[in-house]
Amino acid sequence: GIQVEQSPPDLILQEGANSTLRCNFSDSVNNLQWFHQNPWGQLINLFYIPSGTKQNGRLSATTVATERYSLLYISSSQTTDSGVYFCAVLPSGGGADGLTFGKGTHLIIQP
Amino acid sequence: EPEVTQTPSHQVTQMGQEVILRCVPISNHLYFYWYRQILGQKVEFLVSFYNNEISEKSEIFDDQFSVERPDGSNFTLKIRSTKLEDSAMYFCASSVRRTGNTIYFGEGSWLTVV
Repeated sequence: GIQVEQSPPDLILQEGANSTLRCNFSDSVNNLQWFHQNPWGQLINLFYIPSGTKQNGRLSATTVATERYSLLYISSSQTTDSGVYFCAVLPSGGGADGLTFGKGTHLIIQP
Repeated sequence: EPEVTQTPSHQVTQMGQEVILRCVPISNHLYFYWYRQILGQKVEFLVSFYNNEISEKSEIFDDQFSVERPDGSNFTLKIRSTKLEDSAMYFCASSVRRTGNTIYFGEGSWLTVV
């Protein structure tokens, strides 16, 4: 099946810093989503972005489908940004229904 | 924004007992899913459901699991005889189409098997 690799696995930053999280995937996709899992375990949908660039406040994402990677940018980090960020993909052409998740990037924002 | 809702938020059950986790998908959505996340691990797909039948299931979704849409709004996951290793967060999700759109996740149900 499709492989999803996220980097870095862990990231510790000071409040106010910017960060870039990366997601590489091994095959073409027709769905790519970024999620933030908060300390209570809830999965918050950030972006649906199988290609192109989107922005939502301090967060933005870019997916280069032809090169099989996506980037999530967080600017001016706040402590509430802490948590695990997951990338999840649905491969195209294979008839699969279920998203394949990466192992996540654990982000800690220190005050 | 419409939400996927799940109940209970947390359940503790004895090993061997049956558990039913409930979900109300977004009302105009046609595809429904269950995912599982063991503590500290990544989220894994269990099963998808469309047109009142299972569309796809993963290797995890063995005979102890079943899904049902008992009425026009609820979608349930039943675990027949729980094992310690079933302890996990279970997420329900829904989408309008199978591909090319956002899949919306509920807040999850923590299941602890003791």
